[in-house]
Amino acid sequence: EAGVVQSPRYKIIEKKQPVAFWCNPISGHNTLYWYLQNLGQGPELLIRYENEEAVDDSQLPKDRFSAERLKGVDSTLKIQPAELGDSAVYLCASSLHSSTDTQYFGPGTRLTVL
Amino acid sequence: AQSVAQPEDQVNVAEGNPLTVKCTYSVSGNPYLFWYVQYPNRGLQFLLKYITGDNLVKGSYGFEAEFNKSQTSFHLKKPSALVSDSALYFCAVRDLTSGTYKYIFGTGTRLKVLA
Repeated sequence: EAGVVQSPRYKIIEKKQPVAFWCNPISGHNTLYWYLQNLGQGPELLIRYENEEAVDDSQLPKDRFSAERLKGVDSTLKIQPAELGDSAVYLCASSLHSSTDTQYFGPGTRLTVL
Repeated sequence: AQSVAQPEDQVNVAEGNPLTVKCTYSVSGNPYLFWYVQYPNRGLQFLLKYITGDNLVKGSYGFEAEFNKSQTSFHLKKPSALVSDSALYFCAVRDLTSGTYKYIFGTGTRLKVLA
C-alpha cells in the first residue's frame, strides 16, 4: 500500500515569492492534516480536513497561507507571499478518521526562503 | 492544556544495550499517546500507541512503551539497541479536549546508538 505522497521534496525560493505544496493521502483516508515542523521542534498542526471540509484551521496564518482539498482526496497548501520565517518542513498526514485513528505522515517538503 | 515533555535532547547508548527514551505527559482525561520515529530527510514513522488496555504496548521494530498513569509517563524502550535505531524520536498526545483531535508533539529526542 502506498503511503502519503508529497511533492516537491525540496523547494528554494526568494522571499515574497509564492509557493505551493501538494499532498496525496493514503487511499481511503478521509482525514488529512498539514503540519509545520521547524528545525529541532516537533510538528505543529496547521489545518485538518475531514473529506473536503476544513474543520480546524485555527493555527493557519490566513493572511498568507491557504489550503484546499477540493475533491476530498489531494490537498494543496499555498504560501503567498513567503517570508524568511516560513523556512521549515511542511508535513502532510492522513488517517482513516479523526477520532482515534493513527496518523500516517508523508516525507515532507523542506522549504528554504532566501 | 494538553502537553508532552521529552526531557532529554539526546540519548547515547551502546549497540546491544537496552535503551529508554523518556516522555511525560499532561492531559485532561484519558490520554491517547503515540511514539513516532523520524530518520533524516524522512517523514515521521508510526511506532506504537496507547489508547487503553495493557500498560505495556508493543510496536514496530522491537520497540515497546510502558504507560504509567501514576507517574504520567510513557517511556519508549527496546531491550537491545541497533545502530540503525539512531534517529529522532517524538512522543505525542492526542488533544481530545478541543475537538480538533490534533497531535501535540514533544520536542524530540535524538537517539545515537554507538557501535
